[in-house]
Parts: sequence; C-alpha cells; structure tokens
Amino acid sequence: GEDVEQSLFLSVREGDSSVINCTYTDSSSTYLYWYKQEPGAGLQLLTYIFSNMDMKQDQRLTVLLNKKDKHLSLRIADTQTGDSAIYFCAEIRYNQGGKLIFGQGTELSVKP
Amino acid sequence: DAGVIQSPRHEVTEMGQEVTLRCKPISGHNSLFWYRQTMMRGLELLIYFNNNVPIDDSGMPEDRFSAKMPNASFSTLKIQPSEPRDSAVYFCASSIRGDTQYFGPGTRLTVL
Repeated sequence: GEDVEQSLFLSVREGDSSVINCTYTDSSSTYLYWYKQEPGAGLQLLTYIFSNMDMKQDQRLTVLLNKKDKHLSLRIADTQTGDSAIYFCAEIRYNQGGKLIFGQGTELSVKP
Repeated sequence: DAGVIQSPRHEVTEMGQEVTLRCKPISGHNSLFWYRQTMMRGLELLIYFNNNVPIDDSGMPEDRFSAKMPNASFSTLKIQPSEPRDSAVYFCASSIRGDTQYFGPGTRLTVL
C-alpha cells in the first residue's frame, strides 16, 4: 500500500518504557523520521535514522529499523508525563521530490 | 535562527470570506511545504515549492485554494471563498531540498 501506518494510542505508566511502532512502504527511503506534537503546538523533529543503520540512540530515545520488514520503532526509556504527545513517523520519498509521507500519529498517554 | 514563522497563529472568519495564511521559511532553505491537519484526515501535504517554484500541488483540495512563493523568504496560502470544512490547522515547513523538514507553529483556522 501507499500508507505509513501506526497504532493510534499507547498508554504507559510514568517510569516505564514506551515503544511506538510504524510500518512504511518505500524501500528506497533513505531517511525515516520521528516527529512529536504536543497539544496545540507544531511538529517538532525528535530524531531520524538513516536507512543504512539498524539502530540509533539519543539519550532516552532509541530508534530501531528493520528494513526487511519495513518496520520502524521508537523506544522512550523512563517515560515522563512530559512525553505525553502525538508521535508521527514519516518516510521521505525522493522519487516524489522529497515529500514526507506521515503516519496517522500515535497518541502517547503517560499516567503518573 | 527563529525557525519557520507563520502568521496569523489563529484566524476566525465567516464562510465566504477570503483567508490568507503566511509563512517565512528558515533562511537558506530552498524547499517549502504547506500541510493541513484535521482530526478526520490527519496530516495532508497540500503543495510544495523548490526554489520558489511549485512542484506538486496535487494535494490542494480544490480551486478555492491557491499558494504563491514570490521570493525565497515568503509564501502565502489563500482560500477564497472559505468554507466551514476548511477549518483545520495549517502548517508550513521548510528544508534544504531533500533534507529534514522543520515545521512552523501552525495557523489554526476556524471558518464559521
């Protein structure tokens, strides 16, 4: 299919790890992105991974990429209430002029 | 850098009125994107420009929508006449072509 897909909701307790999953479609995508959107705000670039990498770690964030299955995940360690937001994964399509194709977004709810 | 700047942040208008949304991309970026976000349809790419030239406007919903980029530091998205179903948050993003997109804070449009 043409869509980037994510589950819509995830609820975790403060201090637990969160794992947000995404499947993408374009095997030629060189970069895959995670954006964060807090209520009433714009999209903030969280992290990205280059397609020749399997994993990227940045403080509490770990991105895992499985190119064979076209599966991307974002793990947030020690999740805090401030992490409550909508998380979007996106793939870049160079054959369409560099367009970003977004998933529907996963709403992460962190309970104290 | 101030990031992508959008104005106004909020716009309330009546059906039939003309609406103009404005965007100033990050200095040095040569690609500019207009997105619309609604609960029903998520994030939709409306149009994007490379070097001030519109490349793909296939996401523009209908002829009531038009976008211009008269120079590298300014773009407008115009809706004339506006309708209640145009109510959404409109985001502008910019990038160095093919690279990471950075989003503005968005304009929340309400058409009564």
